[in-house]
Amino acid sequence: SAVISQKPSRDICQRGTSLTIQCQVDSQVTMMFWYRQQPGQSLTLIATANQGSEATYESGFVIDKFPISRPNLTFSTLTVSNMSPEDSSIYLCSVLTGAEKLFFGSGTQLSVL
Amino acid sequence: SQQGEEDPQALSIQEGENATMNCSYKTSINNLQWYRQNSGRGLVHLILIRSNEREKHSGRLRVTLDTSKKSSSLLITASRAADTASYFCATDPNTGNQFYFGTGTSLTVIP
Repeated sequence: SAVISQKPSRDICQRGTSLTIQCQVDSQVTMMFWYRQQPGQSLTLIATANQGSEATYESGFVIDKFPISRPNLTFSTLTVSNMSPEDSSIYLCSVLTGAEKLFFGSGTQLSVL
Repeated sequence: SQQGEEDPQALSIQEGENATMNCSYKTSINNLQWYRQNSGRGLVHLILIRSNEREKHSGRLRVTLDTSKKSSSLLITASRAADTASYFCATDPNTGNQFYFGTGTSLTVIP
Protein backbone atom coordinates (compact mmCIF):
# COMPACT_ATOMS: atom_id res chain seq x y z
CA SER A 1 0.00 0.00 0.00
CA ALA A 2 0.92 3.66 -0.11
CA VAL A 3 -0.04 6.68 1.96
CA ILE A 4 -0.28 9.90 0.00
CA SER A 5 -0.31 13.39 1.45
CA GLN A 6 -1.69 15.99 -0.91
CA LYS A 7 -1.60 19.73 -0.23
CA PRO A 8 -3.47 22.01 -0.21
CA SER A 9 -6.77 20.23 0.40
CA ARG A 10 -8.66 23.19 -1.03
CA ASP A 11 -8.02 26.67 -2.31
CA ILE A 12 -9.89 29.59 -3.77
CA CYS A 13 -7.88 31.46 -6.38
CA GLN A 14 -8.25 34.50 -8.56
CA ARG A 15 -8.43 34.28 -12.31
CA GLY A 16 -4.99 34.54 -13.97
CA THR A 17 -3.01 33.25 -11.00
CA SER A 18 -1.27 29.89 -10.58
CA LEU A 19 -1.52 27.21 -7.91
CA THR A 20 0.99 24.47 -7.16
CA ILE A 21 -0.31 21.23 -5.66
CA GLN A 22 2.07 18.96 -3.81
CA CYS A 23 1.94 15.18 -3.55
CA GLN A 24 4.14 13.30 -1.06
CA VAL A 25 4.21 9.50 -0.89
CA ASP A 26 5.44 7.48 2.08
CA SER A 27 7.38 5.06 -0.13
CA GLN A 28 9.29 5.12 -3.39
CA VAL A 29 7.07 4.60 -6.42
CA THR A 30 7.86 4.58 -10.09
CA MET A 31 4.50 5.61 -11.49
CA MET A 32 2.71 8.75 -10.33
CA PHE A 33 -0.31 10.26 -12.04
CA TRP A 34 -2.33 13.44 -11.87
CA TYR A 35 -6.07 13.35 -12.49
CA ARG A 36 -8.77 16.00 -12.69
CA GLN A 37 -12.34 15.44 -11.60
CA GLN A 38 -14.92 18.08 -12.40
CA PRO A 39 -18.05 18.25 -10.26
CA GLY A 40 -20.20 15.16 -10.68
CA GLN A 41 -17.90 13.78 -13.34
CA SER A 42 -15.40 10.97 -13.68
CA LEU A 43 -11.62 11.20 -13.40
CA THR A 44 -9.65 12.42 -16.39
CA LEU A 45 -5.96 11.62 -16.59
CA ILE A 46 -3.89 14.77 -17.02
CA ALA A 47 -0.40 13.30 -17.13
CA THR A 48 2.02 10.68 -15.93
CA ALA A 49 4.78 12.17 -13.78
CA ASN A 50 8.04 10.49 -14.71
CA GLN A 51 10.99 10.66 -12.33
CA GLY A 52 14.00 12.24 -13.97
CA SER A 53 12.26 13.13 -17.22
CA GLU A 54 9.44 15.24 -18.55
CA ALA A 55 5.87 14.30 -17.76
CA THR A 56 3.79 12.53 -20.37
CA TYR A 57 0.60 14.47 -21.06
CA GLU A 58 -2.73 13.14 -22.27
CA SER A 59 -4.53 14.59 -25.23
CA GLY A 60 -6.01 17.97 -24.37
CA PHE A 61 -3.48 18.79 -21.65
CA VAL A 62 -0.26 20.75 -22.23
CA ILE A 63 2.87 21.41 -20.22
CA ASP A 64 2.50 25.20 -20.34
CA LYS A 65 -0.86 24.96 -18.58
CA PHE A 66 -0.07 22.07 -16.23
CA PRO A 67 3.67 21.94 -15.56
CA ILE A 68 4.66 18.95 -13.47
CA SER A 69 7.79 18.25 -11.47
CA ARG A 70 8.98 14.87 -10.25
CA PRO A 71 12.33 15.43 -8.51
CA ASN A 72 12.44 12.02 -6.80
CA LEU A 73 10.50 8.80 -6.32
CA THR A 74 8.37 10.11 -3.43
CA PHE A 75 7.32 13.59 -4.50
CA SER A 76 5.61 15.42 -7.33
CA THR A 77 3.96 18.77 -7.93
CA LEU A 78 1.30 19.87 -10.40
CA THR A 79 0.90 23.56 -11.19
CA VAL A 80 -2.32 24.92 -12.65
CA SER A 81 -1.21 28.02 -14.52
CA ASN A 82 -3.05 31.16 -15.58
CA MET A 83 -6.24 29.85 -14.05
CA SER A 84 -9.74 30.47 -15.31
CA PRO A 85 -13.08 29.44 -13.79
CA GLU A 86 -13.06 26.40 -16.12
CA ASP A 87 -10.12 25.05 -14.08
CA SER A 88 -12.33 24.74 -11.01
CA SER A 89 -12.15 21.06 -10.21
CA ILE A 90 -10.75 18.45 -7.85
CA TYR A 91 -7.17 17.51 -8.66
CA LEU A 92 -6.02 14.09 -7.53
CA CYS A 93 -2.55 12.63 -7.19
CA SER A 94 -2.25 8.88 -7.61
CA VAL A 95 0.49 6.27 -7.45
CA LEU A 96 0.71 2.77 -8.86
CA THR A 97 2.04 0.11 -6.53
CA GLY A 98 3.71 -3.18 -7.33
CA ALA A 99 0.35 -4.85 -6.76
CA GLU A 100 -0.95 -2.94 -9.80
CA LYS A 101 -3.33 -0.95 -7.61
CA LEU A 102 -3.76 2.79 -7.69
CA PHE A 103 -3.66 4.69 -4.41
CA PHE A 104 -4.99 8.21 -4.27
CA GLY A 105 -4.41 11.33 -2.27
CA SER A 106 -7.44 12.99 -0.73
CA GLY A 107 -7.53 15.56 -3.51
CA THR A 108 -7.28 19.32 -3.88
CA GLN A 109 -10.54 21.15 -4.41
CA LEU A 110 -9.80 24.22 -6.50
CA SER A 111 -12.24 27.07 -7.04
CA VAL A 112 -11.29 29.85 -9.45
CA LEU A 113 -13.17 33.14 -9.21
CA SER B 1 -12.13 10.04 -25.24
CA GLN B 2 -10.34 8.43 -22.36
CA GLN B 3 -13.39 7.21 -20.60
CA GLY B 4 -15.31 4.02 -20.71
CA GLU B 5 -19.01 4.04 -20.12
CA GLU B 6 -20.79 2.85 -17.02
CA ASP B 7 -24.43 2.17 -16.45
CA PRO B 8 -26.59 2.92 -14.77
CA GLN B 9 -25.46 6.47 -13.98
CA ALA B 10 -27.38 6.27 -10.72
CA LEU B 11 -28.85 3.40 -8.75
CA SER B 12 -31.01 3.48 -5.64
CA ILE B 13 -31.78 0.29 -3.73
CA GLN B 14 -32.98 -0.87 -0.33
CA GLU B 15 -30.52 -2.18 2.21
CA GLY B 16 -30.08 -5.93 1.79
CA GLU B 17 -30.70 -5.90 -1.95
CA ASN B 18 -28.02 -6.59 -4.54
CA ALA B 19 -26.55 -3.85 -6.71
CA THR B 20 -25.19 -4.45 -10.20
CA MET B 21 -23.29 -1.91 -12.26
CA ASN B 22 -21.79 -2.33 -15.68
CA CYS B 23 -18.70 -0.98 -17.41
CA SER B 24 -17.87 -0.96 -21.11
CA TYR B 25 -14.47 0.04 -22.45
CA LYS B 26 -12.88 0.67 -25.80
CA THR B 27 -9.44 -0.91 -26.13
CA SER B 28 -7.61 -4.13 -25.29
CA ILE B 29 -6.61 -4.16 -21.66
CA ASN B 30 -4.14 -5.74 -19.27
CA ASN B 31 -6.57 -5.59 -16.39
CA LEU B 32 -9.71 -3.88 -15.17
CA GLN B 33 -10.19 -2.52 -11.69
CA TRP B 34 -13.09 -1.17 -9.68
CA TYR B 35 -12.81 1.75 -7.29
CA ARG B 36 -15.15 3.39 -4.80
CA GLN B 37 -15.30 7.10 -4.07
CA ASN B 38 -17.01 8.66 -1.09
CA SER B 39 -17.86 12.35 -1.00
CA GLY B 40 -15.96 13.27 -4.16
CA ARG B 41 -12.50 12.73 -2.72
CA GLY B 42 -9.82 10.05 -2.90
CA LEU B 43 -10.71 6.72 -4.44
CA VAL B 44 -10.32 3.34 -2.79
CA HIS B 45 -9.35 0.22 -4.71
CA LEU B 46 -11.92 -2.58 -4.52
CA ILE B 47 -10.91 -5.38 -6.85
CA LEU B 48 -8.72 -6.17 -9.85
CA ILE B 49 -9.49 -8.67 -12.60
CA ARG B 50 -6.95 -9.57 -15.23
CA SER B 51 -7.71 -9.89 -18.92
CA ASN B 52 -7.34 -13.70 -18.76
CA GLU B 53 -9.82 -14.02 -15.89
CA ARG B 54 -13.59 -14.18 -16.27
CA GLU B 55 -14.82 -13.86 -12.70
CA LYS B 56 -13.44 -12.81 -9.36
CA HIS B 57 -14.83 -12.56 -5.83
CA SER B 58 -13.86 -10.52 -2.82
CA GLY B 59 -16.16 -10.62 0.18
CA ARG B 60 -19.54 -9.25 -0.98
CA LEU B 61 -18.11 -8.20 -4.35
CA ARG B 62 -18.29 -10.21 -7.53
CA VAL B 63 -16.69 -8.96 -10.73
CA THR B 64 -17.05 -10.46 -14.19
CA LEU B 65 -15.10 -9.63 -17.31
CA ASP B 66 -16.00 -10.35 -20.93
CA THR B 67 -13.11 -9.25 -23.11
CA SER B 68 -14.94 -10.20 -26.30
CA LYS B 69 -17.63 -7.64 -25.46
CA LYS B 70 -15.20 -5.27 -23.74
CA SER B 71 -17.41 -5.17 -20.69
CA SER B 72 -17.36 -5.84 -16.97
CA SER B 73 -19.89 -5.93 -14.19
CA LEU B 74 -19.63 -5.35 -10.47
CA LEU B 75 -22.14 -7.02 -8.17
CA ILE B 76 -22.44 -5.97 -4.55
CA THR B 77 -24.49 -8.47 -2.59
CA ALA B 78 -26.51 -7.80 0.56
CA SER B 79 -25.93 -4.07 0.29
CA ARG B 80 -25.51 -1.84 3.32
CA ALA B 81 -26.06 1.87 3.84
CA ALA B 82 -22.26 2.21 4.09
CA ASP B 83 -21.98 1.06 0.46
CA THR B 84 -23.47 4.39 -0.63
CA ALA B 85 -20.78 5.88 -2.87
CA SER B 86 -19.75 6.35 -6.48
CA TYR B 87 -18.21 3.35 -8.20
CA PHE B 88 -15.79 3.59 -11.10
CA CYS B 89 -14.18 1.04 -13.35
CA ALA B 90 -10.65 1.72 -14.53
CA THR B 91 -8.84 0.08 -17.41
CA ASP B 92 -5.17 -0.34 -18.08
CA PRO B 93 -4.76 -0.49 -21.87
CA ASN B 94 -2.02 -2.61 -23.36
CA THR B 95 -0.18 0.56 -24.36
CA GLY B 96 1.21 1.17 -20.89
CA ASN B 97 0.57 1.73 -17.23
CA GLN B 98 -1.95 4.52 -17.57
CA PHE B 99 -5.39 3.99 -16.05
CA TYR B 100 -8.54 5.41 -17.57
CA PHE B 101 -11.74 5.67 -15.58
CA GLY B 102 -15.33 5.05 -16.61
CA THR B 103 -18.11 7.55 -16.15
CA GLY B 104 -19.14 6.09 -12.79
CA THR B 105 -22.27 4.81 -11.08
CA SER B 106 -23.69 6.64 -8.09
CA LEU B 107 -25.13 4.07 -5.69
CA THR B 108 -27.52 4.99 -2.90
CA VAL B 109 -28.46 2.31 -0.38
CA ILE B 110 -31.53 3.23 1.62
CA PRO B 111 -31.59 1.94 5.20
